[in-house]
Amino acid sequence: EVQLVESGGDLIQPGGSLRLSCSASGFTFSTSAMHWVRQAPGKGLEYVSAISANGDRTYYTDSVRGRFTVSRDNSKNTLYLQMSSLRTEDTAVYFCVKWDGSSADPWGQGTLVTVSS
Amino acid sequence: IVMTQSPATLSVSPGERATLSCRASQSVSSNLAWFQQKPGQAPRLLLNGASARATGIPARFSGSGSGTEFTLTISSLQSEDFAVYYCQQYNNWPFTFGPGTKVEIK
Repeated sequence: EVQLVESGGDLIQPGGSLRLSCSASGFTFSTSAMHWVRQAPGKGLEYVSAISANGDRTYYTDSVRGRFTVSRDNSKNTLYLQMSSLRTEDTAVYFCVKWDGSSADPWGQGTLVTVSS
Repeated sequence: IVMTQSPATLSVSPGERATLSCRASQSVSSNLAWFQQKPGQAPRLLLNGASARATGIPARFSGSGSGTEFTLTISSLQSEDFAVYYCQQYNNWPFTFGPGTKVEIK
């Protein structure tokens, strides 16, 4: 069974940093591109970042570029999202998603990041 | 690419047909997916390529369209289908979602 499990979400003050992790199992992680998508409380879905299978290409939405860094460790089947200079508007549930070129499937259960003083 | 969805809320009785619309601000070809999300859960992929059902998705879900206009049809609503539905384009980065259509019980 393909499974994605996010962790690392926390309550953090504005300006702080946090690293999210996504542990993958049930598929060949090293051949799969991966995405991060977030959802603010009671709001819709927003793409945050993407990374190619071998990590040589990364993509960011404008609102996080320069503050967030996506990376992966294929030896550990783990995806990361390093977040810095966090803002209150970054408060959201962060989902990691497996991407096969035309399908965002499956999704992890999400991890909640709350940015507040 | 800005995605819009209509209506924002759709009130439907069980067993009825539901038709949801999605529009892109520019052509996305057929690079369009539909997701279902229930409260407290992650989104679930229903369709990609505008009309191809994902694994395990019942045949009552169907999609159509290309370019800028797309439709998701649920032929006969079951109790488990009441949820929020999002369309998503993956033709251009950043991939973008519509704001969602909430399908509620009438």
